[in-house]
Parts: sequence; structure tokens; C-alpha cells
Amino acid sequence: QQPVQSPQAVILREGEDAVINCSSSKALYSVHWYRQKHGEAPVFLMILLKGGEQKGHDKISASFNEKKQQSSLYLTASQLSYSGTYFCGTEIGNNFNKFYFGSGTKLNVKP
Amino acid sequence: DGGITQSPKYLFRKEGQNVTLSCEQNLNHDAMYWYRQDPGQGLRLIYYSQIVNDFQKGDIAEGYSVSREKKESFPLTVTSAQKNPTAFYLCASSISGSRSYNEQFFGPGTRLTVL
Repeated sequence: QQPVQSPQAVILREGEDAVINCSSSKALYSVHWYRQKHGEAPVFLMILLKGGEQKGHDKISASFNEKKQQSSLYLTASQLSYSGTYFCGTEIGNNFNKFYFGSGTKLNVKP
Repeated sequence: DGGITQSPKYLFRKEGQNVTLSCEQNLNHDAMYWYRQDPGQGLRLIYYSQIVNDFQKGDIAEGYSVSREKKESFPLTVTSAQKNPTAFYLCASSISGSRSYNEQFFGPGTRLTVL
């Protein structure tokens, strides 16, 4: 039930781009993206809903392919502050108690 | 300042003991959630509550119990029936639990260690 994220880890230089993928074997109603820095609470980035509606961050973009049951998070011109672990959370059907987080993608941006 | 507070930050428990983790929010949110995070893993839903006096089991509710007597508070009890309770516990809230369009706001977490 848990969505699968890839890659598991990414190392970037400042200014480089990255894509983080999230896929599910079940039909998705929505995808949430969060970032967690070490020892801290996750922070909201984006929500994408079935049908194309989005809500979220100005500088980070994401896509949601309902047919492929996949979402991708695009981090462009990465900054040092982008470092952390990125989690996708997926809602299977319109029923919140079927909400699962992926195992995370650890992003390390170096100067 | 509005937010979610969790206490304590670190908690040590002896085997066979029940412990209660506190979660309080002053965001006036209807929905509250408890997640468990193991090292290098994602978050797994333990319990959630969409409204006062109502709560639902998540994927890993066995060995845990909750109450929601007040809108602001959603304490989690880790009972002795939970076989491997050592983990990082995160509490979250959202404006409403009935729509998936609402982001979750997380507390700072409680790190529980069984001795």
C-alpha cells in the first residue's frame, strides 16, 4: 500500500536540478509532498488532486499523472536550504484513512 | 503564535509500562493525527480524529490508544501490548479531515525509547 519513492538519495551541487518520483500500485485520489530536515517535523510543500487542482509552494513544482498513478516533484536551481528528506503521501480513493507516506528521498545539496 | 506542541521531547519507558504522549494544537483545526516514524522510514498512520469524541484506526493501531475529548488535544497512549514501541512519534493536524485538500501541520515529535 505504501507508495514507492525514487531515488532513495540524491547529492546535488547548488544550482543543479533534481526530480523525485512517487508511484503507487493503487489508484490515487491525491498526492501530498512534505520535506523533513533532520530531527525536525515534516513541512508541507504541495498537494496535487485528481483532476489537476494544485496547492502549494511557489518555487517547487510537481506533476500528477493519474493514469500512471505517479507524481514527480521538480526541484530547480537547488539551494542549500533544499537539503532534507522528501516524502510523498498518497490518498487511495477519497477516504483519508487510506493515506500512506513513502519511505522518503534524502536530498543533500552541497555548495 | 499558533502551532502544535508535543511533550515530552524525549521519553524513556521500561518494558511493560504504559506511557502517554501529549499533543496540543491552538490552530482551531478539526482533524488530528498520530504517526510513527522508524529510522530511515516513512510515516505510518496510527490513529486519526476528524472531530471531537470520534477517532479512527490507521494502519498500525495495535498496541496504541487515543482519546479526543477536546478539540485542542489528542493524547496517544503506548501500551505494553505494543511489542516494539521505540520510534519517533509525530502528531499532526489539519483544518478538516474530511477533505484531502488540506495540508497537515506537524508537531516537533516525541522520541520514545524502551529500555
